[in-house]
Amino acid sequence: DQQVKQNSPSLSVQEGRISILNCDYTNSMFDYFLWYKKYPAEGPTFLISISSIKDKNEDGRFTVFLNKSAKHLSLHIVPSQPGDSAVYFCAAIPNSGNTPLVFGKGTRLSVIA
Amino acid sequence: DTAVSQTPKYLVTQMGNDKSIKCEQNLGHDTMYWYKQDSKKFLKIMFSYNNKELIINETVPNRFSPKSPDKAHLNLHINSLELGDSAVYFCASSRQRLEGGGETQYFGPGTRLLVL
Repeated sequence: DQQVKQNSPSLSVQEGRISILNCDYTNSMFDYFLWYKKYPAEGPTFLISISSIKDKNEDGRFTVFLNKSAKHLSLHIVPSQPGDSAVYFCAAIPNSGNTPLVFGKGTRLSVIA
Repeated sequence: DTAVSQTPKYLVTQMGNDKSIKCEQNLGHDTMYWYKQDSKKFLKIMFSYNNKELIINETVPNRFSPKSPDKAHLNLHINSLELGDSAVYFCASSRQRLEGGGETQYFGPGTRLLVL
């Protein structure tokens, strides 16, 4: 039972355009969401996060939007750069204790020069 | 300086062997985790330790035994390795989560285990 879903396994975007990566979740107990970026043969690295009390968080070229009623979040990268090519994982944490991340399956982003 | 390190990076071994993967973090974090990324690329939690104490143990065969000698280390020992254990194993760490907040987890580079 996938509690965090990334329905697009891959996405290709032209350099300079906007990349939009989507994530849906089913567990209403999730109250903190994170995006991780992963290059081949490396561990996931933290990119940006958002608390459920917000609907938007921005950090440079990266913006995460949260729609709690739809149980949906998205990561926008603008402008996209070739170095952004990686697998992006959406992850969520329930609102209790020291709990681990629940990950989506990831979306492979390819930014074409 | 590497924040979360794992050794070895690659591990190829025969079925039935016993092996260990080591993890160390120099971030001063209280909590450490082991995740498994299987062939379908799912990253799933296996164990979580807080201040050397086991707090999460997902449905993992008891051939897998985590050991935390101190707060900075969480090692994973696997007995009687099976073909299905082939995967990438990631260690991670985080600070104590604050009430109503979240805490970033920092991941190691992964250990690629191949059981033949």
